[in-house]
Amino acid sequence: GQNIDQPTEMTATEGAIVQINCTYQTSGFNGLFWYQQHAGEAPTFLSYNVLDGLEEKGRFSSFLSRSKGYSYLLLKELQMKDSASYLCAVIPGAGSYQLTFGKGTKLSVIP
Amino acid sequence: EAQVTQNPRYLITVTGKKLTVTCSQNMNHEYMSWYRQDPGLGLRQIYYSMNVEVTDKGDVPEGYKVSRKEKRNFPLILESPSPNQTSLYFCASSVSGNEQFFGPGTRLTVL
Repeated sequence: GQNIDQPTEMTATEGAIVQINCTYQTSGFNGLFWYQQHAGEAPTFLSYNVLDGLEEKGRFSSFLSRSKGYSYLLLKELQMKDSASYLCAVIPGAGSYQLTFGKGTKLSVIP
Repeated sequence: EAQVTQNPRYLITVTGKKLTVTCSQNMNHEYMSWYRQDPGLGLRQIYYSMNVEVTDKGDVPEGYKVSRKEKRNFPLILESPSPNQTSLYFCASSVSGNEQFFGPGTRLTVL
């Protein structure tokens, strides 16, 4: 089976930096996604990593290490609107687009 | 406006009464997918489709059917709904299974 682990909840202060970790044990690997989901809304795409390394996109960065089965999402200069759930998802099979999500990390940004 | 639409947005039904949740996208995307989201379990993929007449199972396909007769539409069919299918359902589409655009969600209650 596929297993994706993320912390359930995190709290951080406005203006700070927070790192949300994701570890995965899957039968294969064909890419890792991060999505943001505000309460009561649909998920929205943040990033996609298929090769090792850091991808930066504005205040958000995502890192992948395939050998360690590990990714993190880094949020800088936190804003109150960043309070949301952050979902890590993996495509476990080459040639397949079956997508497995972690249970998500609920981030609360406090003043 | 590029979007994924789902109907209905809210539905309360009774056990055993067949229902269909429609999903339509106007972005000419090849890939479409259905997910359910439950507290403590996260997003789980039900079915996905890589193109017209091509569908495949996700992690939790039991009790659901899908069809992809046209590129823009991907309905989810519950032939005999049961209370354990009470959930929040999301449809999503993408060009190739990468960045996915989610619909607004359908909240289904089966009594």
